Amino acid sequence: DTEVTQTPKHLVMGMTNKKSLKCEQHMGHRAMYWYKQKAKKPPELMFVYSYEKLSINESVPSRFSPECPNSSLLNLHLHALQPEDSALYLCASSQVRLAGGELFFGEGSRLTVL
Amino acid sequence: GQQLNQSPQSMFIQEGEDVSMNCTSSSIFNTWLWYKQDPGEGPVLLIALYKAGELTSNGRLTAQFGITRKDSFLNISASIPSDVGIYFCAGPGGSQGNLIFGKGTKLSVKP
Repeated sequence: DTEVTQTPKHLVMGMTNKKSLKCEQHMGHRAMYWYKQKAKKPPELMFVYSYEKLSINESVPSRFSPECPNSSLLNLHLHALQPEDSALYLCASSQVRLAGGELFFGEGSRLTVL
Repeated sequence: GQQLNQSPQSMFIQEGEDVSMNCTSSSIFNTWLWYKQDPGEGPVLLIALYKAGELTSNGRLTAQFGITRKDSFLNISASIPSDVGIYFCAGPGGSQGNLIFGKGTKLSVKP
């Protein structure tokens, strides 16, 4: 069983909705990540938090808004999404943000935008 | 940006056969990671390599960090049906050393 927990597992939303994806880890890791994965493609980095501070935003549109309330929690707030944003959203954590460090992934949240 | 070239793209094998896949980079890496992803699930870390020439095993899986530091190999011996999935290599090729992933090798195993 993964030690990174993501909720919800599935989410369907309209383009005018506001929703949030949640991620929790209790491994004492201080770096947390959001990745986006389209079908038959590898995961692509969206955001990195290090010690609860946003350290990397890979030019992600503002309709995606990350939040790190504490060292165990990571949220991704969604607003005015487009159908092409439908994908598997993966949360990951690592001990610290270290180049090439081992990332541990959650099971993902499957998002469908209608 | 930096890309990892992973091959083969897919493999169809008989149960019991050995499998080999590899990944190459245009630049030197100090880490190679291998993940497996089942449908609808997140990637699971299989093996991490940190030293050129390193050979590491995890059960029937063996991975090697190439001497040139630009490639890595993953071998699976005596494949079983539960080995089915997509295998990704990953390395610190992104901005600020973040992990990037190869395009994956989809493994199918016939019982």
